[in-house]
Amino acid sequence: EAQVTQNPRYLITVTGKKLTVTCSQNMNHEYMSWYRQDPGLGLRQIYYSMNVEVTDKGDVPEGYKVSRKEKRNFPLILESPSPNQTSLYFCASSFEGKINSPLHFGNGTRLTVT
Amino acid sequence: AQKITQTQPGMFVQEKEAVTLDCTYDTSDPSYGLFWYKQPSSGEMIFLIYQGSYDQQNATEGRYSLNFQKARKSANLVISASQLGDSAMYFCAMREVLSNDYKLSFGAGTTVTVRA
Repeated sequence: EAQVTQNPRYLITVTGKKLTVTCSQNMNHEYMSWYRQDPGLGLRQIYYSMNVEVTDKGDVPEGYKVSRKEKRNFPLILESPSPNQTSLYFCASSFEGKINSPLHFGNGTRLTVT
Repeated sequence: AQKITQTQPGMFVQEKEAVTLDCTYDTSDPSYGLFWYKQPSSGEMIFLIYQGSYDQQNATEGRYSLNFQKARKSANLVISASQLGDSAMYFCAMREVLSNDYKLSFGAGTTVTVRA
């Protein structure tokens, strides 16, 4: 089954404790990205990747890191989480360079930072 | 500037009736794509329908249709014969060719509640 898998689904952590949210897709998509969703703001892009070893900042990159060592994986790293990073996070992927290619989303990771 | 505007935070609709969700967009790119996604209470994002800026006809997918008015820069989603399972948040989104990041720009969403 074609899918984007992200883990964990729920995560509660404390300020400053490094964490990683994993993301993997099995559709051979070149393009992958991370979004955060906050009430009233819709979804905002954090980072994106056009292909292996190619990553770039989105609209809200502060406090986040990513890597793309393999085509299928695109982990999101929070080196020192803060309470304002409490949010619902989505990983997504699509074919690169095609505006008619919809983003396929993972099921989301609900992160709470206390 | 806001690229996607959804002016209806929440709507109620009676089961079996049609509902229209408003979406206006802002772009100077002649080539772009418009998408609608559904987010049920379980949280996942489900792709519903796509409309390309050069498409001559309005897109349709089952009970979903997109009322695309290019000159007005609007891309309203119409859900016909509403079902209880249509209760969810709906997001309008746009992808622009000239955007280097190929991101989807999302609106704030509209919550639809279907009443029995």
